[in-house]
Amino acid sequence: DGGITQSPKYLFRKEGQNVTLSCEQNLNHDAMYWYRQDPGQGLRLIYYSQIVNDFQKGDIAEGYSVSREKKESFPLTVTSAQKNPTAFYLCASLNPGFGANVLTFGAGSRLTVL
Amino acid sequence: DAKTTQPPSMDCAEGRAANLPCNHSTISGNEYVYWYRQIHSQGPQYIIHGLKNNETNEMASLIITEDRKSSTLILPHATLRDTAVYYCIVRSWASSNTGKLIFGQGTTLQVKP
Repeated sequence: DGGITQSPKYLFRKEGQNVTLSCEQNLNHDAMYWYRQDPGQGLRLIYYSQIVNDFQKGDIAEGYSVSREKKESFPLTVTSAQKNPTAFYLCASLNPGFGANVLTFGAGSRLTVL
Repeated sequence: DAKTTQPPSMDCAEGRAANLPCNHSTISGNEYVYWYRQIHSQGPQYIIHGLKNNETNEMASLIITEDRKSSTLILPHATLRDTAVYYCIVRSWASSNTGKLIFGQGTTLQVKP
C-alpha cells in the first residue's frame, strides 16, 4: 500500500544533541512538508519542499534543517539550536495539480528532550 | 492561500448531527475548501473538499455558502470515534506551485454519549 512512513515513532534526546527524523513516501508525490504540533495546538509549518533538491522555510524553521536529495525522502534534523524541541512532528506529501490534490500524512514522530 | 477561522471547541451528542463551521472570507475564486481531522496522536486524515457546490461522501457533507466566504462540515450521525480535531483549510486546485499549506488550530469536537 502507498503511504508515508515516519520513524522513529518515539524518540528521546538529551539537551544539546541533534536528532534526525525520517520521512519516506512511496506515493511518487512531488511536494513534502514537515509540521510541528504542541499539546492542544494546531499544526505549524517547519519546512516544505516542492521538488527534489529544493526546499523553503515555513513559519518556524529556526533550529531545524532538512534535505531533499531524493523524491521519496525528506528527513528533518532537529538541532541543538532549537530551544524547545519537545513536540509531535508530522510529515506530509502532496501531488500538486492532479487528482484530489490531497495531503497525505504520516503517523508522526514524538520527540521528547530529557 | 486564504486564512480560515474556526471555533476552538464544540460538543455533540452521540447519534446527532455535528455541524462544524469555518470562515474563509478572503477565499479567492480558484481556491477549494478542504477538511481534515486528527484523532489524538495520529496524523491528520482527509475528509472532503469542495469548490462551490455542496459535496457528500461516505464520511461527511460539505455545505459552502453562495458567496463562498464560509462553509460547514456535517457529520450526519456522530459517533464517539468522531471525537477529534477538525481542520478547515483553503488552497488552489491544480497549482504547480504548492507553496505553504497552513493549518490553523482547528475545532476540537467532543462527541458525548
